[in-house]
Amino acid sequence: GQQVMQIPQYQHVQEGEDFTTYCNSSTTLSNIQWYKQRPGGHPVFLIQLVKSGEVKKQKRLTFQFGEAKKNSSLHITATQTTDVGTYFCAGLTTDSWGKLQFGAGTQVVVTP
Amino acid sequence: DGGITQSPKYLFRKEGQNVTLSCEQNLNHDAMYWYRQDPGQGLRLIYYSQIVNDFQKGDIAEGYSVSREKKESFPLTVTSAQKNPTAFYLCASSERQGTMNTEAFFGQGTRLTVV
Repeated sequence: GQQVMQIPQYQHVQEGEDFTTYCNSSTTLSNIQWYKQRPGGHPVFLIQLVKSGEVKKQKRLTFQFGEAKKNSSLHITATQTTDVGTYFCAGLTTDSWGKLQFGAGTQVVVTP
Repeated sequence: DGGITQSPKYLFRKEGQNVTLSCEQNLNHDAMYWYRQDPGQGLRLIYYSQIVNDFQKGDIAEGYSVSREKKESFPLTVTSAQKNPTAFYLCASSERQGTMNTEAFFGQGTRLTVV
């Protein structure tokens, strides 16, 4: 079955530095979504990517969908303490209609 | 206020008892989901439903049951057959657009502790 893998599991970042988290699927995805969960909270939607090679930006966050639609990345520039939390990718495949599966997440800790 | 509501926020049960977690949405979403989250872990899919009166098993359905009799409601029962039920349970809903689903909205979660 489909598996969505995320790396790294943990990311310690100095405030002001950049980092990237990666998401890889064993099968081709119809679309991929990214969510952020603050400590003690629930996941909140950030963005959805649909097209092969798509790149979207939200301020300091850049999201990319791979050409083969099997991988995605989230790059954060100039990390701030407000970026603390766990970032999840979630993928949908065309052969498992409606089965939204999440990766294990990247837990981000920011040190001032 | 539109949204998705889970209740209760905290739930304690004795081992061997079944317990039902409530999830209600007034967003008019067709799709609903149940996930389990363990400390420091990701979200594992328990059950999902794309339309009323239909639902599918996720990756960890054993020991759980659901129903989808109304569009707004997707309750999850944790049965005594679930060997390790203590966890944080999250319900979500989304719209369907053809073969894709739009963003998922999550409830605040129910933290279940079985003693």
